[in-house]
Amino acid sequence: QKEVEQNSGPLSVPEGAIASLNCTYSDRGSQSFFWYRQYSGKSPELIMSIYSNGDKEDGRFTAQLNKASQYVSLLIRDSQPSDSATYLCAVNRGGNAGNMLTFGGGTRLMVKP
Amino acid sequence: DAMVIQNPRYQVTQFGKPVTLSCSQTLNHNVMYWYQQKSSQAPKLLFHYYDKDFNNEADTPDNFQSRRPNTSFCFLDIRSPGLGDTAMYLCATSGPGLRGDTQYFGPGTRLTVL
Repeated sequence: QKEVEQNSGPLSVPEGAIASLNCTYSDRGSQSFFWYRQYSGKSPELIMSIYSNGDKEDGRFTAQLNKASQYVSLLIRDSQPSDSATYLCAVNRGGNAGNMLTFGGGTRLMVKP
Repeated sequence: DAMVIQNPRYQVTQFGKPVTLSCSQTLNHNVMYWYQQKSSQAPKLLFHYYDKDFNNEADTPDNFQSRRPNTSFCFLDIRSPGLGDTAMYLCATSGPGLRGDTQYFGPGTRLTVL
């Protein structure tokens, strides 16, 4: 079983719709969760971090965390073509691993005009 | 602006010819990471430095080495690149600040081994 799992997609949504991206993780001790956006040929760019159960909103982005169910999600409201990218979920391993992140394989999002 | 810089951005080398990739940062972060990312895959951690302490991932090939001469600079040396080492190499940093566990990535070096 992979430590961090994401549906590879592509997830296709029309412009203006809500895009919902999901991620599950296996280590119950994980404490920190991150969403990175990666455009083709570019490096990952941090867009959201979340540490507590519940929702965290930042502009059009909302991260949701449920530690009991071991999933974290990212909602993108009013999706724009410029949101088309691969979204990577990353989980801090915690414990002796310090700041080590484990990445999921990413979900490719396509927003169609 | 404070940032993470990687040079070169693109590198083509021949099979078996050593190559060095560099990373520098103006964030004064004490932790620096090197990742390898192959096409359509997740970034894979190769090693990291906590200050001067070097930490190798268990499955990082011996062919990959690293140096960190000071806080600002870190190098990735590939002693004898193979075709399978063609990938994007990402440098990241983390340190005191908003959250110690947040990692910030440089633009990456795209390495092609022919």
